[in-house]
Amino acid sequence: DTAVSQTPKYLVTQMGNDKSIKCEQNLGHDTMYWYKQDSKKFLKIMFSYNNKELIINETVPNRFSPKSPDKAHLNLHINSLELGDSAVYFCASSQVRGRDKTDTQYFGPGTRLTVL
Amino acid sequence: DQQVKQNSPSLSVQEGRISILNCDYTNSMFDYFLWYKKYPAEGPTFLISISSIKDKNEDGRFTVFLNKSAKHLSLHIVPSQPGDSAVYFCAASKGPFKNGQNFVFGPGTRLSVLP
Repeated sequence: DTAVSQTPKYLVTQMGNDKSIKCEQNLGHDTMYWYKQDSKKFLKIMFSYNNKELIINETVPNRFSPKSPDKAHLNLHINSLELGDSAVYFCASSQVRGRDKTDTQYFGPGTRLTVL
Repeated sequence: DQQVKQNSPSLSVQEGRISILNCDYTNSMFDYFLWYKKYPAEGPTFLISISSIKDKNEDGRFTVFLNKSAKHLSLHIVPSQPGDSAVYFCAASKGPFKNGQNFVFGPGTRLSVLP
């Protein structure tokens, strides 16, 4: 069973288009995230949602809009795509647990976005 | 400004020997650290973690050591196996944990275990 799934796996599109990436988790976690892995391979957090509410919103252009219809889904919509948006986007989920309140994030397989 | 650094982009080790992957951080507020492993075309998978109240955590062949004064942690894999060949990411975070957590990732180290 896939724990965190993303669609599509690959996305090639023209500059200026609007596109969406979908993410679903079947782990029952309360928190979901979007990360961007840039050309230098750094994984940087973009957004975090807990129970459909936005918690973390890093410095990301407002062309990026996350949407969480329920706690098992966190979709990423990108308007007016630019060349610099080309990257791999990872969805993740987590659940704060335990006395130590440790938090392990489980990642999806990634969506490679190429903007031409 | 990289708060989490992995200064070795790649590392090659012979099968059966020890692999040591290093990670340095600059933010003294970080108190929880994780290692993730990533195969090509897959998402990172959690490997092992350590909180700042400990200086060592072991799980099978994997041991993470934390030196808070040096702001340094390392992942030891003994013995190394060809299936361990992957990119290893170090990540750090500040507690307390509440409704999810903002982890800062390093750039990764590519480990190649040679048969």
